[in-house]
Amino acid sequence: DAMVIQNPRYQVTQFGKPVTLSCSQTLNHNVMYWYQQKSSQAPKLLFHYYDKDFNNEADTPDNFQSRRPNTSFCFLDIRSPGLGDAAMYLCATSRDTESYEQYFGPGTRLTVT
Amino acid sequence: AQTVTQSQPEMSVQEAETVTLSCTYDTSESNYYLFWYKQPPSRQMILVIRQEAYKQQNATENRFSVNFQKAAKSFSLKISDSQLGDTAMYFCACPQSNDYKLSFGAGTTVTVRA
Repeated sequence: DAMVIQNPRYQVTQFGKPVTLSCSQTLNHNVMYWYQQKSSQAPKLLFHYYDKDFNNEADTPDNFQSRRPNTSFCFLDIRSPGLGDAAMYLCATSRDTESYEQYFGPGTRLTVT
Repeated sequence: AQTVTQSQPEMSVQEAETVTLSCTYDTSESNYYLFWYKQPPSRQMILVIRQEAYKQQNATENRFSVNFQKAAKSFSLKISDSQLGDTAMYFCACPQSNDYKLSFGAGTTVTVRA
């Protein structure tokens, strides 16, 4: 009965080699988020979708892109990963209600070699 | 911009004792929710407790309770009868205005000692 699923859980890529992380949800939530989280830090929002409307954070590097082909799926593309992009990437969802409560996936740990 | 401040980077507590985590926030919203999330080591972030700002009664979920002081914009989390499984990083979060985003505090690492 997983609600927010992220694949893969661990990803190793080479410096400069494009990588795609995926997220799916069974909650039918309108809003999906991608966060980057480095060790012992708070999650940092990269972007979010309200339905198909894409919202980029001002300080998200151009190296990061996202796609949401339908309600259930969302992808994070890193076009040319650098060593500084090694982190945990969290996907989250929420309904478009007043509470803004977010439901998180287990994360994908990205290693860049 | 909304900000959330957690002033305690780390806390340690003996099993079965009580620990209180502090959080202050800033928001221009009049009606909002506040959240505490728990992230155990290498595990998923989960919601611990939420508080509706228009409710005066403090939220409680089993051993977890909050002390919500709306005027002071303070939202502390109390963990009673601490258990080893409570060892985790705890994040306080409050909504940003009108765009479905949350602002997170820097987190407090709680270690429960046997």
